[in-house]
Amino acid sequence: AQKITQTQPGMFVQEKEAVTLDCTYDTSDQSYGLFWYKQPSSGEMIFLIYQGSYDEQNATEGRYSLNFQKARKSANLVISASQLGDSAMYFCAMRLTQGGSEKLVFGKGTKLTVNP
Amino acid sequence: DVKVTQSSRYLVKRTGEKVFLECVQDMDHENMFWYRQDPGLGLRLIYFSYDVKMKEKGDIPEGYSVSREKKERFSLILESASTNQTSMYLCASRLSGVPYNQPQHFGDGTRLSIL
Repeated sequence: AQKITQTQPGMFVQEKEAVTLDCTYDTSDQSYGLFWYKQPSSGEMIFLIYQGSYDEQNATEGRYSLNFQKARKSANLVISASQLGDSAMYFCAMRLTQGGSEKLVFGKGTKLTVNP
Repeated sequence: DVKVTQSSRYLVKRTGEKVFLECVQDMDHENMFWYRQDPGLGLRLIYFSYDVKMKEKGDIPEGYSVSREKKERFSLILESASTNQTSMYLCASRLSGVPYNQPQHFGDGTRLSIL
C-alpha cells in the first residue's frame, strides 16, 4: 500500500534550535515526489519543500531542508534556527500518479511547538 | 500568486440537509481536489477532477459527490449530511503538465459542523 508515516504526534523545540520531523514512506513506484506542508492554527496549508525521487541532492529552502534517504524510504524535514512562528502542524505527503492525473497521500501530521 | 477561495470558513448545517461547499481558483488550473481533515488522520482525498465535467473518486468518496461545470469552480456536495461528516474540508488546485515539483495550492478550509 502507498502510504506516509509520521511517527511523532507532537514535538517541542526551544527557539533558535534545530528540529527534525520524521517521515517515512512506502511505495513500489520508481518515480515519486515528496512534499512538506505547514498548517498554522488558522488552517491554511503552506507548501514548504519538495524532493523528487531522482533528485540526487537534498532539497533546501531557506531554513528548511529535507534529509532524503532513499534506501530507508525516509524524507525527514529539518528546520534550523526555530522561530515562534514555526509552531504549527506539519504534514508530509507523497505524490502518486494515476493515469493522467495525480493525487497526494498525506501523513497524519506532527504538531510542532516552539518554546521561547 | 495562486488564489484558491473557499466560500465559507465556518458552516453549521443540520442532519439530512443537502450541503454545498464551493471552491474557486483564479489560475486556470486543470486539476482540483477536495480533502477532508480530521485530527489524528491527516488529510484524506474525497474526489478530484482533472478537467471540466471530469471527476475521479478519491479514497473516501462515500456520502459525497462533486460538480465541475466550469474550470475555475469545483463544488463538493453532501447529499444528505450526517454527523460523521463534521470535519475540516480543504480544496486544492494544481496546473497540469508542469514540473513535478510544483505543489498543490490550498484554500483556507471550511470547518463544517453537522448538528
